[in-house]
Amino acid sequence: QKEVEQNSGPLSVPEGAIASLNCTYSDRVSQSFFWYRQYSGKSPELIMSIYSNGDKEDGRFTAQLNKASQYVSLLIRDSQPSDSATYLCAVNPSRFSGGYNKLIFGAGTRLAVHP
Amino acid sequence: GAVVSQHPSWVICKSGTSVKIECRSLDFQATTMFWYRQFPKQSLMLMATSNEGSKATYEQGVEKDKFLINHASLTLSTLTVTSAHPEDSSFYICSASPSYNEQFFGPGTRLTVL
Repeated sequence: QKEVEQNSGPLSVPEGAIASLNCTYSDRVSQSFFWYRQYSGKSPELIMSIYSNGDKEDGRFTAQLNKASQYVSLLIRDSQPSDSATYLCAVNPSRFSGGYNKLIFGAGTRLAVHP
Repeated sequence: GAVVSQHPSWVICKSGTSVKIECRSLDFQATTMFWYRQFPKQSLMLMATSNEGSKATYEQGVEKDKFLINHASLTLSTLTVTSAHPEDSSFYICSASPSYNEQFFGPGTRLTVL
């Protein structure tokens, strides 16, 4: 089992719709979770971080974390063509596993928002 | 805030030469910097973790003698690809961490070895 798993996509949604991106992780004691956006040929850009169970909203983005289910998701409301990119889920493993600030990345989900 | 720069943004070199890539945190001090490599249509692969003033920690399968990392200060880390070969051609990205949480990425360096 991969440490961080994401559906590779592509996830295709119409402009204005809600895009839902999902991620599961295997390290039960992971503490910090991040969503990065990566445009083709560019480096990743941090868009959301979440540390506790529940929802965290920032503009059109909402991150959801469920530690019991080892599941983190990203919702993008009112999707725009400019949101078309690969979205990377990243997990910071527990300090006790020796990776106190190393991020484990999923393979990414490609999102395509069509007009 | 949290700006990370990389230089050069792209480099083309001949096989057998060495290439140095610089990573700087511009508006914060980075306790830790990370070096990643990304091949086309693949995810990021962590190569090594560097802490200021100490030796880098390399991931399994990464040759430490080929990929030399120096973290000379809290704002600068360098990656030197020694005796580069065509298979080393890739997108090299650094990130810097001001704390135990977020990592902020540089714009990346595209290396092409002829």
